[in-house]
Amino acid sequence: DSGVTQTPKHLITATGQRVTLRCSPRSGDLSVYWYQQSLDQGLQFLIQYYNGEERAKGNILERFSAQQFPDLHSELNLSSLELGDSALYFCASSVAPAGRGLNNEQFFGPGTRLTVL
Amino acid sequence: GENVEQHPSTLSVQEGDSAVIKCTYSDSASNYFPWYKQELGKGPQLIIDIRSNVGEKKDQRIAVTLNKTAKHFSLHITETQPEDSAVYFCAASKETSGSRLTFGEGTQLTVNP
Repeated sequence: DSGVTQTPKHLITATGQRVTLRCSPRSGDLSVYWYQQSLDQGLQFLIQYYNGEERAKGNILERFSAQQFPDLHSELNLSSLELGDSALYFCASSVAPAGRGLNNEQFFGPGTRLTVL
Repeated sequence: GENVEQHPSTLSVQEGDSAVIKCTYSDSASNYFPWYKQELGKGPQLIIDIRSNVGEKKDQRIAVTLNKTAKHFSLHITETQPEDSAVYFCAASKETSGSRLTFGEGTQLTVNP
């Protein structure tokens, strides 16, 4: 158990809908990362937050957005869902802030499996 | 941006044998290289990592080597056991990109009893 929690474990929804995935980082971790894992694109970085602020953006679609709250939990919002958005979505957390001369270990949660029908 | 290539995509070994997985990266500024093990239905689990100021790191049956000049790094598992069967991912990151991880495509390791 990494200490990172994600809810829900599974989510089944229809095209055009909107969903919210939730992540709670390990105790003491300030940075949260979101990754998408699909069969055709592998594990891809989406977005990173540190202490409530967006720090880095990867291949995240405009239909997707995220935020990190004062209690450090994070939510990933996916809207206007398409069949191709079906994937595993992972949250990871780390202690150190980005760009402070320290690449700290990232610990992954169990993921949310999203199925868009 | 960074590109990480991983080989082989599948690897089958007999219990007790060694397994080696290799990765290459493209960005010479990358300075942190973790390895993750992912079992079916679970999230990636960090098993070992290496930083660019170190050439080799060992942790019991697992070792990682890094060749900065050639821009490649490898995972070595000795005395493999059936419970080592999983998908292994290498990754690379650098602090100037906010420590985001760029992953290889993964290697499905099967250890046959």
